[in-house]
Amino acid sequence: GENVEQHPSTLSVQEGDSAVIKCTYSDSASNYFPWYKQELGKRPQLIIDIRSNVGEKKDQRIAVTLNKTAKHFSLHITETQPEDSAVYFCAAKWGANNLFFGTGTRLTVIP
Amino acid sequence: KAGVTQTPRYLIKTRGQQVTLSCSPISGHRSVSWYQQTPGQGLQFLFEYFSETQRNKGNFPGRFSGRQFSNSRSEMNVSTLELGDSALYLCASTRGAGEETQYFGPGTRLLVL
Repeated sequence: GENVEQHPSTLSVQEGDSAVIKCTYSDSASNYFPWYKQELGKRPQLIIDIRSNVGEKKDQRIAVTLNKTAKHFSLHITETQPEDSAVYFCAAKWGANNLFFGTGTRLTVIP
Repeated sequence: KAGVTQTPRYLIKTRGQQVTLSCSPISGHRSVSWYQQTPGQGLQFLFEYFSETQRNKGNFPGRFSGRQFSNSRSEMNVSTLELGDSALYLCASTRGAGEETQYFGPGTRLLVL
């Protein structure tokens, strides 16, 4: 089955700086890659996703890039704010298979 | 449109007991997936139900089981509880027919003593 690795496990940045979280996947058939944000005590919420026919997608301060050849995708957050502090999860799937999640990155934005 | 709901939100059980958790998906969603979340382990996939049939299954022992009803509501059951079953159990729903975006419920926090 699919295996998703996520790095780093923890990340601290100064407010206003950029944050980058990287994930690699093993199954070349995977074609859907969502990112979820989970604030303390809350449910995971989808923040952005990308499909394999697209190399990059942006939504305001958040962007995701996908390299299908290398089988990795990354989340980029620019101009970080304290409210960006949370645990971020990447995931991958294809077809009717279930989502395979990475182990999460705890992002701390220091004011 | 109402979001995914889960009941109960908190539960305390003792070893050896069994527990049943409930998940009501977003109206019109036919797929429900269940996850176990523990500190440091991320989101571990348990199983997925689509139109009352188990479509995918993770690597959990047979003590973990589930089902889905005709109204798409789903239950998961854990028998013979162990201390290591203490976790946050999340369910997520999707439309299921090729729609991939999963919407999570608030979770049920289970503590096994």
